Amino acid sequence: GNSVTQMEGPVTLSEEAFLTINCTYTATGYPSLFWYVQYPGEGLQLLLKATKADDKGSNKGFEATYRKETTSFHLEKGSVQVSDSAVYFCALSDLLTGGGNKLTFGTGTQLKVEL
Amino acid sequence: EAGVAQSPRYKIIEKRQSVAFWCNPISGHATLYWYQQILGQGPKLLIQFQNNGVVDDSQLPKDRFSAERLKGVDSTLKIQPAKLEDSAVYLCASSLFSGQIYEQYFGPGTRLTVT
Repeated sequence: GNSVTQMEGPVTLSEEAFLTINCTYTATGYPSLFWYVQYPGEGLQLLLKATKADDKGSNKGFEATYRKETTSFHLEKGSVQVSDSAVYFCALSDLLTGGGNKLTFGTGTQLKVEL
Repeated sequence: EAGVAQSPRYKIIEKRQSVAFWCNPISGHATLYWYQQILGQGPKLLIQFQNNGVVDDSQLPKDRFSAERLKGVDSTLKIQPAKLEDSAVYLCASSLFSGQIYEQYFGPGTRLTVT
């Protein structure tokens, strides 16, 4: 079955540091890949997505590239801010015959950014 | 545009009691999902509806969990009787087909504590 593996947290960085959160996946076929962010007490928000190999998703300074050869979708940001402190989830998506898609999530990586 | 609405936000019950959660998806979104997120884990899909039909309920513990979406709009998830291990955040999401993929939008969740 499909699975997603993320690096364990918490990841603690100083403001303006470079961020990488590793994500690798196992899937049959050609899934779409996503990063979601969850701020304290809130639901998940879609951060970025990529639908095929070599696609780069980007949003709010975050980037991730769909690497089929290494089955990876690592999240990066050049300069983090305190406001980026949250839990980040990597996920892959399978389309379902009856409509919609099924998301398989990783366990999440908590990011703490300090002044 | 209004987001996915959920209520209540918090619920505390004793084991063997019953509880119900409500979700109103984004207007026009035909697909609705219920997820269970246990502390420290990624969300796990419980059930998915396409309009008022069930697409996937393979991970729903049907001996105690039930869900309905009678008019193809809002939905209710019920647990009866609750167990200690049901303590989790229950997330509702809805999706729209955008380009090549379905993008899921999440509500704030209902945090359930079973004592």
